[in-house]
Amino acid sequence: AQKVTQAQTEISVVEKEDVTLDCVYETRDTTYYLFWYKQPPSGELVFLIRRNSFDEQNEISGRYSWNFQKSTSSFNFTITASQVVDSAVYFCALSDSVGDMRFGAGTRLTVKP
Amino acid sequence: DSGVTQTPKHLITATGQRVTLRCSPRSGDLSVYWYQQSLDQGLQFLIQYYNGEERAKGNILERFSAQQFPDLHSELNLSSLELGDSALYFCASSAWGPENTEAFFGQGTRLTVV
Repeated sequence: AQKVTQAQTEISVVEKEDVTLDCVYETRDTTYYLFWYKQPPSGELVFLIRRNSFDEQNEISGRYSWNFQKSTSSFNFTITASQVVDSAVYFCALSDSVGDMRFGAGTRLTVKP
Repeated sequence: DSGVTQTPKHLITATGQRVTLRCSPRSGDLSVYWYQQSLDQGLQFLIQYYNGEERAKGNILERFSAQQFPDLHSELNLSSLELGDSALYFCASSAWGPENTEAFFGQGTRLTVV
């Protein structure tokens, strides 16, 4: 069975600080897909990043970066120089090749001015 | 704007009733997903359709059913509603499946059962 664990329930930082959101996943599939979504106070779910299980290359996209490590089944997400507008609930998700996508419980990030 | 349209945005109904939630995917997307978000259960995957056919099934109750029509819009039917069904229901769409693209979510339908 697939499972996503986001151990951090809430994180509070001051603007301009860097923040890393942790995600640990469990799957027996050899091919799977990992995602990060953001849910701002307005409620919609916004796609941030996607990674395939066979591509462990870590990248930076603007202020966002991620660290995918299959050896530890982790897919952590970092926001550099956080801003107040980054305040939201962040969800890590894991999908199998069919489309059954499971979400973690979410991490509520509060960025204070 | 994700391009995924869900109607209605809000729905209040009584226990025992039946409701239908509608989702129009992004233009060209063949896959539609339904999710339920509640305070105690978090985001739960319900079901996925691909080009009209059911492709994956998650934690969907027997009182719930869904379908995807030839024009690719989808409906989620919830019947014999209980108080615990109150939640935010999201629809998402993607071009194919997760092996190709990410899913984009609609703004959700907030269902309140009283």
